Amino acid sequence: AQSVAQPEDQVNVAEGNPLTVKCTYSVSGNPYLFWYVQYPNRGLQFLLKYITGDNLVKGSYGFEAEFNKSQTSFHLKKPSALVSDSALYFCAVRDIRGRDDKIIFGKGTRLHILP
Amino acid sequence: KAGVTQTPRYLIKTRGQQVTLSCSPISGHRSVSWYQQTPGQGLQFLFEYFSETQRNKGNFPGRFSGRQFSNSRSEMNVSTLELGDSALYLCASNERLSGSRTDTQYFGPGTRLTVL
Repeated sequence: AQSVAQPEDQVNVAEGNPLTVKCTYSVSGNPYLFWYVQYPNRGLQFLLKYITGDNLVKGSYGFEAEFNKSQTSFHLKKPSALVSDSALYFCAVRDIRGRDDKIIFGKGTRLHILP
Repeated sequence: KAGVTQTPRYLIKTRGQQVTLSCSPISGHRSVSWYQQTPGQGLQFLFEYFSETQRNKGNFPGRFSGRQFSNSRSEMNVSTLELGDSALYLCASNERLSGSRTDTQYFGPGTRLTVL
């Protein structure tokens, strides 16, 4: 069965520093991978996705993520954090060859950017 | 393009009552998914509809049901409400490319349900 893990409940980063939010996955076939962000009292907003091709994916708001097949990871990164990046971040995976056609979300990582 | 609309935004019910939530997807999207979000369980998949047919269902009791209309609007219903049903219910409009599975999901703002 497919699964996704976000090992950190919370990540604290000083403004201006690089940030990384970790995600690892488990699927039987090739994965579709996604990152979403949720601001307080809002729905989820799509940030970026990996389907195929370049391992480095660029998304909204200056975020990028690197697909690493050998480590089954899809970490979210940004070179210079902003206070406005503080939010809840979700990694999600869909197994494009599996019979289970659901998208599975991680538990979420709360990102705090300290001014 | 208009975004995903969910109504109502907030709802307060008492145990034993039933509730119906509505979702209008992005124009042209024929697939809708529903999720329940709680602090303890995170985001849990409820069901997915495509062209009025339920394609997939999560591990929720039969009290949770849904449907999709010919205009792609979707409703979910929860009967005999329990305290544990208090949650943010999110609807996603699924951008489904021809010949492929659901690709990017665009979420609505959610309906905050409180069961007293």
